[in-house]
Amino acid sequence: SQQGEEDPQALSIQEGENATMNCSYKTSINNLQWYRQNSGRGLVHLILIRSNEREKHSGRLRVTLDTSKKSSSLLITASRAADTASYFCAIDVLGAQKLVFGQGTRLTINP
Amino acid sequence: DGGITQSPKYLFRKEGQNVTLSCEQNLNHDAMYWYRQDPGQGLRLIYYSQIVNDFQKGDIAEGYSVSREKKESFPLTVTSAQKNPTAFYLCASSIFRFGGATTYEQYFGPGTRLTVT
Repeated sequence: SQQGEEDPQALSIQEGENATMNCSYKTSINNLQWYRQNSGRGLVHLILIRSNEREKHSGRLRVTLDTSKKSSSLLITASRAADTASYFCAIDVLGAQKLVFGQGTRLTINP
Repeated sequence: DGGITQSPKYLFRKEGQNVTLSCEQNLNHDAMYWYRQDPGQGLRLIYYSQIVNDFQKGDIAEGYSVSREKKESFPLTVTSAQKNPTAFYLCASSIFRFGGATTYEQYFGPGTRLTVT
């Protein structure tokens, strides 16, 4: 399957702690994207990392990409209650011109 | 939810009826997409379109149909042939560069929750 596999499926941490989510895939990619989805809502784009990039930052988000291991991680630092959501990785498969989404990580931040 | 609207938010239909979900965008994007999301699952691609009057099947197109008569609009019809249509449907749009290889960030609508009984 080309689908991104996310780990863990669910994560529960205390407010202020860091949260790390991982995504693995099996194909060659143009880029890898991370999205957030609040319950019952549409997805919101967080960050895009290209295949020739290794790390990217956006505010409290840090994304890494290791194309040799075909894996990516999303780190959210100093978590807040408002970060409670599902997080999805989406891979831009080389030559496909469409995104393939993983099954997501459900993140719960406890106050 | 950006410049993409989906209507209605909730939709109820009887089994055997066709139903059309609306998706409109004012972002001037060439590409539009329809996804299906089942509880606790990721998104699966139903259909996508990169230009007016053209569209391609995604991974789960059976039982669905689309049209792309205008750049701003990409309606999805769930037909009676779709065996398990109850789901959350998401529409998205993005920039598309003809001749390019990259898929750009996608902007999503708020979704339509369809229940068929």
